[in-house]
Amino acid sequence: EPEVTQTPSHQVTQMGQEVILRCVPISNHLYFYWYRQILGQKVEFLVSFYNNEISEKSEIFDDQFSVERPDGSNFTLKIRSTKLEDSAMYFCASSDSLDSWGYEQYFGPGTRLTVT
Amino acid sequence: AQTVTQSQPEMSVQEAETVTLSCTYDTSESDYYLFWYKQPPSRQMILVIRQEAYKQQNATENRFSVNFQKAAKSFSLKISDSQLGDAAMYFCALALYGGATNKLIFGTGTLLAVQP
Repeated sequence: EPEVTQTPSHQVTQMGQEVILRCVPISNHLYFYWYRQILGQKVEFLVSFYNNEISEKSEIFDDQFSVERPDGSNFTLKIRSTKLEDSAMYFCASSDSLDSWGYEQYFGPGTRLTVT
Repeated sequence: AQTVTQSQPEMSVQEAETVTLSCTYDTSESDYYLFWYKQPPSRQMILVIRQEAYKQQNATENRFSVNFQKAAKSFSLKISDSQLGDAAMYFCALALYGGATNKLIFGTGTLLAVQP
């Protein structure tokens, strides 16, 4: 069964450093998402991406964040200058449609980001 | 704005018994999806069941079923014949239909323990 993959599974970085979290969505999917979950809290939407541009972003997704689909398979989330409060689990998700009933977002296993 | 509320931070059930997890939501839209996601200790988000708002019939997936009350904006999950593998965090989520993005709005989760 096709699945979303994410690398690395755990990233430790120092405050102020740049990090890139990588995701490989399911190959025929067109819509891509990043969510984050601070430990013990709910999952929060960060950004959605379609047709090589951001379709929606949350207030969390400030200028320190960016997303890119550099090739036909990868989808990346970059944090330019990490802060302690960026420590969280980051989930990538993808879906194949917005229009059909019963669409589903498939989640990757997550990347745990620890900022020290 | 859309919100999802899960009022039970923790629940416990005996193996083979039935448990119901509560979820209420708020949206002014008439077309939307509702989901229950399971997050085991591995932190992977797994879709358990989904419900289209236009359908009056409650969704069922094997031992999992929902009680969808659209007027009351209530969407509870019933797990029958609970198994040890059902122990996890359960998140209720809402997505609007027909917008530029189908971002998921999550509740705060219910941690389900299954006692042998």
